[in-house]
Amino acid sequence: EAGVAQSPRYKIIEKRQSVAFWCNPISGHATLYWYQQILGQGPKLLIQFQNNGVVDDSQLPKDRFSAERLKGVDSTLKIQPAKLEDSAVYLCASSSQVSRSPLHFGNGTRLTVT
Amino acid sequence: QQQVKQSPQSLIVQKGGISIINCAYENTAFDYFPWYQQFPGKGPALLIAIRPDVSEKKEGRFTISFNKSAKQFSLHIMDSQPGDSATYFCAALVYGQNFVFGPGTRLSVLP
Repeated sequence: EAGVAQSPRYKIIEKRQSVAFWCNPISGHATLYWYQQILGQGPKLLIQFQNNGVVDDSQLPKDRFSAERLKGVDSTLKIQPAKLEDSAVYLCASSSQVSRSPLHFGNGTRLTVT
Repeated sequence: QQQVKQSPQSLIVQKGGISIINCAYENTAFDYFPWYQQFPGKGPALLIAIRPDVSEKKEGRFTISFNKSAKQFSLHIMDSQPGDSATYFCAALVYGQNFVFGPGTRLSVLP
């Protein structure tokens, strides 16, 4: 099966600019996650979708981050305006059900904010 | 209470040696404990997982040991190879909630 696809692979922006990341999960996976991975740390959940509904966005900085999952398939994560501390790898993952199913991660988008 | 602690932060092992990474948790509601392996420039990939009703699970050279009373679990990599050099994350899950990841251990296996 094709894996989780993410684009772009790298992005460099200046602070206060906006940026968007795209994710296409594994076909048939109802659950989609966005994680932020700061260098030297484990992934931190930003938002979880079940189909096209939000299940958990408690750790999403909603003043600058937004995400959507149109038609329950692809998803986009947006940051506006970006801050220096947003420099990280943004990982998308999908799973076939909510709990105890393995997470399948994409290779991430490395964001550098200067 | 939702944290998972992981040690060591980095580990250097000779080829053929045993790599041991330890994790500890506080939340007794956690009921699923996976380990993920991440190579540079790649996303984490599931390596092996265990539930708390089992004390040990082995898959090839990889073994999870689980100590429910101590709230600790560990990953053992037998006959470590240079290709095992990666960052390893333990994680924990409460059913119906989301995974909590440890901070990671960077393993280097010297040839």
